[in-house]
Formats: sequence, C-alpha cells, structure tokens
Amino acid sequence: GENVEQHPSTLSVQEGDSAVIKCTYSDSASNYFPWYKQELGKRPQLIIDIRSNVGEKKDQRIAVTLNKTAKHFSLHITETQPEDSAVYFCAAIRDDKIIFGKGTRLHILP
Amino acid sequence: DTGVSQNPRHKITKRGQNVTFRCDPISEHNRLYWYRQTLGQGPEFLTYFQNEAQLEKSRLLSDRFSAERPKGSFSTLEIQRTEQGDSAMYLCASSLASNNEQFFGPGTRLTVL
Repeated sequence: GENVEQHPSTLSVQEGDSAVIKCTYSDSASNYFPWYKQELGKRPQLIIDIRSNVGEKKDQRIAVTLNKTAKHFSLHITETQPEDSAVYFCAAIRDDKIIFGKGTRLHILP
Repeated sequence: DTGVSQNPRHKITKRGQNVTFRCDPISEHNRLYWYRQTLGQGPEFLTYFQNEAQLEKSRLLSDRFSAERPKGSFSTLEIQRTEQGDSAMYLCASSLASNNEQFFGPGTRLTVL
C-alpha cells in the first residue's frame, strides 16, 4: 500500500525566511497531492494541492513542486510570517485512498 | 454554515461504554470520510462513503466501529465497548466524487477513562 514519509518533523525558521517541507510517496499510481495546515486545536485546512500532470503550482507565498519520477513533492513557503506557525501535513491520494504524512511542526521565530 | 460540522465536539466516556458521533458534510458533497488523529500524528483513514454506500474500510476499523450514512447526507460513527486506546480526535471530511479536495470538520475529541 501507499506510504508517505514527511521531513522534517520540526522546522524553525526566522520570520521572513523561507521554509521547505518534503514528502516522498511509494505508490506511483498516486495522482493527487494536497497539503494541509493545522493550527493547534483546529481542523486541517487545505492550503494548496497539485495533481500528477503538473510539476509546480504557486499561490502567493506558497508553492508546491512534484517530481513524479523520484516520487517526491515539496511545500515551499516564502517570506514566512508568524501566522505560518502550525503543523503541516502532506498527503498522497490514489483513486479514493488517501495517506497522510506524520506532519511537520513549523515554528516562525521573531 | 456551509462547512463540515461535527457533533459533539468533545466526548468523555468510561471504558466499555458506547459512543456515537455525527458528521454533517458540505451539502453538495457526495463523498464523506472518517479519520482518526492522535497527538503528533497525521489523520489516519478509517472509512468513506459515496452517497449512502460505504466503499472502503481501513484495517484500523475494528469490529467495534461502525459507520452509516443512511440517506447519503449526514453520517454517524459508533464505537462500541470503548477502550482507552480509542481516545483520539475523530475527524470527518467531505468532497465531491469528481474532485479529491477534502474539507475537514472541526472533529470530535474522544477521551475514554
């Protein structure tokens, strides 16, 4: 079955710097890769996603890249702000099956 | 409210008791998913419905767990004979079958004493 590995588990960056979170997946048939942000005590919120027919997608300060050959995808946050502090989850979906990574706790340092 | 809603938000129960949670999806969404999330982990898939049909169940879903979506709208998740290991956040999400974008509810936090 699908396995999603996410790194790092914790990431601290200075406010204004960039943050990168990486995920790998095992099932080459996975075709949809969403990223969720979860603040403490709140629901996961979809922040960006990418489908297997696209290599990169950007939405303001957030971008996601996908390398299908290597089976990895990454989340890039530029010009980080205090409100970016949260846990971020990647996921891989094949048909109806969704597997989440274990999450990355992002700390934005003042 | 156009988002996914879940009730109750918190449930404390004693070991051995049965509990039932409810999820109301976004109204036009025909798919509904249940997940379990424990501290420091990502959501773990439990089961999902397309309309009223339960199409997939995870191996995590023991026979003490049962889910229904009788009219293809709201869903219930029942846990019988609760155990301390069932303590977790139970999340519901919904989506359109034509689009994998899942939107999560606020979750029901279960504590089994």
